[in-house]
Amino acid sequence: DAGVTQSPTHLIKTRGQHVTLRCSPISGHKSVSWYQQVLGQGPQFIFQYYEKEERGRGNFPDRFSARQFPNYSSELNVNALLLGDSALYLCASSLARSNTEAFFGQGTRLTVV
Amino acid sequence: KQEVTQIPAALSVPEGENLVLNCSFTDSAIYNLQWFRQDPGKGLTSLLLIQSSQREQTSGRLNASLDKSSGRSTLYIAASQPGDSATYLCAAIKETSGSRLTFGEGTQLTVNP
Repeated sequence: DAGVTQSPTHLIKTRGQHVTLRCSPISGHKSVSWYQQVLGQGPQFIFQYYEKEERGRGNFPDRFSARQFPNYSSELNVNALLLGDSALYLCASSLARSNTEAFFGQGTRLTVV
Repeated sequence: KQEVTQIPAALSVPEGENLVLNCSFTDSAIYNLQWFRQDPGKGLTSLLLIQSSQREQTSGRLNASLDKSSGRSTLYIAASQPGDSATYLCAAIKETSGSRLTFGEGTQLTVNP
């Protein structure tokens, strides 16, 4: 079975642009969460989606948004990119909304120049 | 607010040594504690999940324990190998926060041949 897949793997954007990152969870998993990991730090929670509804939001500005599709895949959108948005963006897949193991994809490395 | 701390930040050991990585959390009302491994520039690989009703989990040379009363978890690695070199992250999950993981900043482990 395929694990969590994320695309693209690397991305370079200019300040002020917007970006869309994509995630496909493990087959059968209904929960997708997004994390931002700045170099040298632990991942920070951005969003959780379960059954296509937002179930949690971290301390990120409104420039960050996400959605989950009927097939449980998800997109993370970031508008008006800043240099500080440069990071590894990680997607996590879980079977249920809570109390289950989280599995991560390989991440998307976003560089804003 | 849940805070997770990992000590030490970096550790270098000779091959074959047994070692312990520490993780502490401020809020004892956690539900699960999950340990991950991260290779440079890569995503997170789940190592062990300890649910709140459990005290420890084992997988091969890895053993993780959880003591909610003291706010601590430890990851024990037996007979370390150069291939174990990576950053190890612990993450706490509160029952009321769905699948939201709160991460420590990690311990960077180097096992020297």
